[in-house]
Amino acid sequence: GAGVSQTPSNKVTEKGKYVELRCDPISGHTALYWYRQSLGQGPEFLIYFQGTGAADDSGLPNDRFFAVRPEGSVSTLKIQRTERGDSAVYLCASSSGTSGGELFFGEGSRLTVL
Amino acid sequence: AQSVTQLGSHVSVSEGALVLLRCNYSSSVPPYLFWYVQYPNQGLQLLLKYTSAATLVKGINGFEAEFKKSETSFHLTKPSAHMSDAAEYFCAVRNKNDMRFGAGTRLTVKP
Repeated sequence: GAGVSQTPSNKVTEKGKYVELRCDPISGHTALYWYRQSLGQGPEFLIYFQGTGAADDSGLPNDRFFAVRPEGSVSTLKIQRTERGDSAVYLCASSSGTSGGELFFGEGSRLTVL
Repeated sequence: AQSVTQLGSHVSVSEGALVLLRCNYSSSVPPYLFWYVQYPNQGLQLLLKYTSAATLVKGINGFEAEFKKSETSFHLTKPSAHMSDAAEYFCAVRNKNDMRFGAGTRLTVKP
């Protein structure tokens, strides 16, 4: 596609439920990032993929959060046993992987945990 | 480790006035620096980036930023604010594949 696509755009769930958020990056981009943005805050790094592998997952807050990118394109962020504190906008970005290149962002998935 | 500090979470200017949004960075190596803009309910859009080619960088919508190594700063400016500039602005620093963002500055433009 022309840009980074994220689905769903909005997700409301109940505490304790499982959630999956999907990201479809720009075609050909090898690098893919997940960030979390809480109200009034800047994007907070979660995880970075280069190809199929998670090159850096140091930003994942705990083991309830997991992300995959099995074929090196689409990525899914998975959150188990959701908590109210997980409510945020989850942003996905992709990059061509060149040094110093910019990240191209999707519009985000807004997650609300009731 | 690298980080970004944006001074002023909220800046308000009158239409036609100078816009100055401040960004200071910390990086152990020469950084790549970026400014992104975010309009309500949208993703981040790139305004401009510094990649060491020139210290004064011009971006879209009349914005520019100057890299000052001695001050570890990368402040964003625009000579004359327009109502459509009202948005959230984020400074970011990148080292290899690690990109970190500041907390953001909300710009309000008064008529």
